[in-house]
Formats: sequence, C-alpha cells, structure tokens
Amino acid sequence: QLQLQESGPGLVKTSDTLSLTCTVSGGSITTTSYYWSWIRQPPGKGLEWIGSTFYSGGDFYSPYLKSRVTISVDKSNDQFSLKLTSVTAADTAIYYCARQGDSGSTGCFGSWGQGILVTVST
Amino acid sequence: QSALTQPHSVSGSPGQSVTISCTGTNSDVGGYTYVSWYQQHPGKAPKLMIYDVNKRPSGVPDRFSGSKSGNTASLTISGLQADDEADYYCCSYAGNFAFAVYVFGTGTKVTVL
Repeated sequence: QLQLQESGPGLVKTSDTLSLTCTVSGGSITTTSYYWSWIRQPPGKGLEWIGSTFYSGGDFYSPYLKSRVTISVDKSNDQFSLKLTSVTAADTAIYYCARQGDSGSTGCFGSWGQGILVTVST
Repeated sequence: QSALTQPHSVSGSPGQSVTISCTGTNSDVGGYTYVSWYQQHPGKAPKLMIYDVNKRPSGVPDRFSGSKSGNTASLTISGLQADDEADYYCCSYAGNFAFAVYVFGTGTKVTVL
C-alpha cells in the first residue's frame, strides 16, 4: 500500500528557504502515469495547490507561487522535494505531499501524506 | 485563478441528503471534466471522494455522488451519517495546453444535526 511521508523543519525564519521532502513507500516514484504534488493549508483555512512534477521532468506551479517554488525528484531514494524561497508569515501552513493519477485520472489527488506543520517566524 | 466558491456550511439530520455546490468559471469547472471532491476530518489529511466529476474511488460509499452543470459542480451526500460530518473541498483543473494548474474551493463544513 502506497504511503507518503513529509519531513523537514517545523520552524523556518522569515526570508529563509522552506525545504521539505516527501518519501514514497509501497510504490516507485518512477511509475508512469503519476504526478507528484505539494498542497498546503494555512491553519483554519482552505487548501492551496502549490505545484506538481513528473519523475522524468515537467513541472507545473501555481502562478501565485511560481517565482519562489521548485519541486524536484530524487529517483534513487523515491523522494520528491519542495523548496519555497523568501518565506513570510503567510507561508505558515500544513504542507501535504500527494500523488496524482490514482484511479487512472491525473485530475485528482488520490493519495496524501499526513501533513507537516511549518511555522514561519522571526 | 481564484478559489472556487462553496457555501460556508450546510447541515442535515441523519438519513437526509445534503448538496454542496462549487462554482467556478469557463476556465476551470465549466471547461473541464477534472472536478474532484475531498473530505477532511479535523486534524486529518484530505481524502478523495469523487473524481472526474462523478466517479467514486474504490471504497467510497455510493451515498456520495457528483455532478456538474455549466460552471457549477455539486456533491450530494445521501443517507447522511454522523461520520460524514467534516469539511469538504472541491478542486478543478484550470490549465491549458501550455501548463497545468489546479484550484481548490473555499471549503464547506457539513454538520450532522
């Protein structure tokens, strides 16, 4: 059974770079037809798509975050990562990693990690 | 792309049906069949309940159904149960031939009376 697990620092300083990793187990990140995504949720608020990537290339990012976001894949370790630069308090959120392509549709996020709370503070 | 519009809350008694709307534009909900719905219990990760407008993943009860008309998608929960009390989010593809973009709804809290 596929499992996704986010990891990284829970506290980041204002203007620094937020870096998170998602480890995929129970499946390979190089399996075709799947995209790997990051989604976030500020405390008490709604979900926001950050971006998605395919293991062999092809990244798509939210136009609101595109200038600050990079998603990359580590095929040898079945991991993918998120980097968000120049963070502010507005970037405080629970960050989820997720897989697109479950049930044969790339238009939905079928598998999710448990989420990791990242707080941005001075 | 702005967030899709959902009612803040809906409620119903056990056994009743509730419907949650998700309103977008021709550039998202109205333009594609990639509309999905997610259930989120407090402190938990979202769970996919409906994808491609009206398809259910394996394991999701057939009490949950989806539909779309024009720029508005809907999720209906029939035979409401206590465990259905949660937040629900819609999501739509909003990209084009050059790039892929996904936009979520504002979220709806379902209360079982």
